[in-house]
Amino acid sequence: SQQGEEDPQALSIQEGENATMNCSYKTSINNLQWYRQNSGRGLVHLILIRSNEREKHSGRLRVTLDTSKKSSSLLITASRAADTASYFCATKLTGGGNKLTFGTGTQLKVEL
Amino acid sequence: SAVISQKPSRDICQRGTSLTIQCQVDSQVTMMFWYRQQPGQSLTLIATANQGSEATYESGFVIDKFPISRPNLTFSTLTVSNMSPEDSSIYLCSVEAGYGYTFGSGTRLTVV
Repeated sequence: SQQGEEDPQALSIQEGENATMNCSYKTSINNLQWYRQNSGRGLVHLILIRSNEREKHSGRLRVTLDTSKKSSSLLITASRAADTASYFCATKLTGGGNKLTFGTGTQLKVEL
Repeated sequence: SAVISQKPSRDICQRGTSLTIQCQVDSQVTMMFWYRQQPGQSLTLIATANQGSEATYESGFVIDKFPISRPNLTFSTLTVSNMSPEDSSIYLCSVEAGYGYTFGSGTRLTVV
């Protein structure tokens, strides 16, 4: 079963705009990760944030984590057409071993 | 990080038949994970494959339907048995690699 709900389900923006995706989860986590999937192919790891971290940056990506609200957000700044993809949050649960539990995903479309 | 070679990339199969999907990792890993992604959906973990022991299946998945082999620390196979159209999905393998997980490129299975 899905650990996380993501919103929005779909997001369409113009190139150069920022895109924000949100993820909520249900139980205690060790870390939360964000992945990108292009056209139903393999997933690419974007960024990992640990449960004791609140914010993390990587290039044009900014991730926040609020463990009190059990939520995370992914911000992509200055979006490009190549950012068009599905984005998934995934959690590594406390006491859940090494497996990941994925959220429902956000489909991002960046238009020229 | 690890690199995974997954094959086949896609297949169209007749109902009632079986398909074996292979994943080869370029380094030794303790655990390999197998996921299913139904059309338009997120990833659901099928099982965790450990070398030298039986795979651990998630709720809703059984060994008779999805037998897994893990003959060594770099290779695993997932078989989808006695297929029906409901098995049409993308199947992905994954390993933990440093920060985050690496995924194979996926096998897009269509059952007709």
